[in-house]
Amino acid sequence: EDKVVQSPLSLVVHEGDTVTLNCSYEVTNFRSLLWYKQEKKAPTFLFMLTSSGIEKKSGRLSSILDKKELFSILNITATQTGDSAIYLCAGGSYGGSQGNLIFGKGTKLSVKP
Amino acid sequence: GAGVSQSPRYKVAKRGQDVALRCDPISGHVSLFWYQQALGQGPEFLTYFQNEAQLDKSGLPSDRFFAERPEGSVSTLKIQRTQQEDSAVYLCASSFREAEAGELFFGEGSRLTVL
Repeated sequence: EDKVVQSPLSLVVHEGDTVTLNCSYEVTNFRSLLWYKQEKKAPTFLFMLTSSGIEKKSGRLSSILDKKELFSILNITATQTGDSAIYLCAGGSYGGSQGNLIFGKGTKLSVKP
Repeated sequence: GAGVSQSPRYKVAKRGQDVALRCDPISGHVSLFWYQQALGQGPEFLTYFQNEAQLDKSGLPSDRFFAERPEGSVSTLKIQRTQQEDSAVYLCASSFREAEAGELFFGEGSRLTVL
């Protein structure tokens, strides 16, 4: 059965800290790994990763995929209170319902002032 | 529209009532998805449309759940004879292309509470 496992499930840090969120996956016919940020509203897209070893960056956020070890990490440097959210990782596959993403349970990040 | 719009944002139903949740995707988006997100969980796939065709409904938890997208734009998720375990946030998402396991644009969800 396909699954995506995120760790930790929750994390509390202080502003300025750097955090690493983990995502491991077992997805049949794997195509892509996606990260979303979910505050008290719609999940918003952060990154889509399809190739191993290529880091994607957006401001203080970065992510990388390891297709051999079947995991991805999301790094946030110099955290701010506005980074507080649930970060969702999802695996996508070829074939079938092609856009069907399998989500992990998320990591709840709380950034304290 | 500018984004995916869902209504109602909040719905309280008595057990046994029927509910209908609406999703208005981004204009021109071919693919539309429904997800169910229980408290403390990640979204779980329910069903997928490509234009008006429902290509995958394998995630619908029972035959009480029904979705349609008759004209390939607005979609409705209907839940008949609601049960307490149906309480969740129902997220709709759309994407421009025939979905390529890529970026989906989500609505803010409809939070259903069944008493």
